[in-house]
Amino acid sequence: QKEVEQDPGPLSVPEGAIVSLNCTYSNSAFQYFMWYRQYSRKGPELLMYTYSSGNKEDGRFTAQVDKSSKYISLFIRDSQPSDSATYLCAIGDDKIIFGKGTRLHILP
Amino acid sequence: DGGITQSPKYLFRKEGQNVTLSCEQNLNHDAMYWYRQDPGQGLRLIYYSQIVNDFQKGDIAEGYSVSREKKESFPLTVTSAQKNPTAFYLCASSGTGRQPLHFGNGTRLTVT
Repeated sequence: QKEVEQDPGPLSVPEGAIVSLNCTYSNSAFQYFMWYRQYSRKGPELLMYTYSSGNKEDGRFTAQVDKSSKYISLFIRDSQPSDSATYLCAIGDDKIIFGKGTRLHILP
Repeated sequence: DGGITQSPKYLFRKEGQNVTLSCEQNLNHDAMYWYRQDPGQGLRLIYYSQIVNDFQKGDIAEGYSVSREKKESFPLTVTSAQKNPTAFYLCASSGTGRQPLHFGNGTRLTVT
């Protein structure tokens, strides 16, 4: 079983929809969780960072962590064409493991 | 503005030549990292450094070398021993403890 699994997509949704992006992980020792957004030919940009189970909100973005299920999610409300990018989850303890990324297309 | 600067953005080299990628940060971060990103492969760790004058191999260090002579600089040399060097290279840094990584905008290396 891979340490971090993330559906590569592509995921296409209409503008204004709620987007749900997900990752699962195998090692219960992982303690902190991150989501990055990466535009084409650019470096990943940190969106959300959390240690704990539960929800963390920042504007249109909500990160959700369920440690009992080893499952993390990123929700994007009122999606915009500018949200079209690849979204990477990253999960860490002593080392950080990245998912392979989900390509998201927001259709105007 | 604080951040990580990678240069150049695009780099072209002939097979058999060594090439050095630059990474500079002004975030006052102790730790610095080099990743390689290939389509469908995700991010793979090449080398990392937690402190000046010390660094460790990551998962795919063969054919690469680094130095960490200054806190703000962590150059990566891609040697002729690297069998498949064409890739997108990302430099990152982080603060002390379990802090998230902050990335530069990458260098696209093409070797022909």
